[in-house]
Amino acid sequence: GIQVEQSPPDLILQEGANSTLRCNFSDSVNNLQWFHQNPWGQLINLFYIPSGTKQNGRLSATTVATERYSLLYISSSQTTDSGVYFCAVERTGGFKTIFGAGTRLFVKA
Amino acid sequence: DTGVSQDPRHKITKRGQNVTFRCDPISEHNRLYWYRQTLGQGPEFLTYFQNEAQLEKSRLLSDRFSAERPKGSFSTLEIQRTEQGDSAMYLCASSKAEVGELFFGEGSRLTVL
Repeated sequence: GIQVEQSPPDLILQEGANSTLRCNFSDSVNNLQWFHQNPWGQLINLFYIPSGTKQNGRLSATTVATERYSLLYISSSQTTDSGVYFCAVERTGGFKTIFGAGTRLFVKA
Repeated sequence: DTGVSQDPRHKITKRGQNVTFRCDPISEHNRLYWYRQTLGQGPEFLTYFQNEAQLEKSRLLSDRFSAERPKGSFSTLEIQRTEQGDSAMYLCASSKAEVGELFFGEGSRLTVL
């Protein structure tokens, strides 16, 4: 099946710093999503981005489908950005969405 | 639009008991998914419905697990003869077939003593 690798696995930032999270996938995909899992376990949709670039406030994402990777940019990080960020993909021709292992982000005040 | 809702949010049970979780998807979504997440891991796919048809089941879903989606609306996930290894967060998601963007509920956390 498709493999999804996220890096780095853990990240500690000072409030106000910028960061880039990466997601590599091993096969062509129909869909790609980025989620933020809050401390209560809820998965919050950040971006639905099978290709191209999107921005939402301090967050932006870019997916280069031909090169099988996606990047999530966090600018001017805040303590509320802490949590786990997941990349999830649906392989072309498939129906199930597969998650990476996540990047655990801690933003220090 | 009330989002995906799951019930119960928390369940503590003794080993060997049966438990059932319910998921109500977003009303216009025809796809429904169940995932399981253990501490420190990403969500793992369990099963998927399009309308009332269960189209795929993971090998993670042993014979003790069964899922249904009668009439293509809400879904239930039942675990029979629970084991301590079943302790996890059970997540439900829904999507429109044409778009594929998943929306998750808040999850049902199971603890098996």
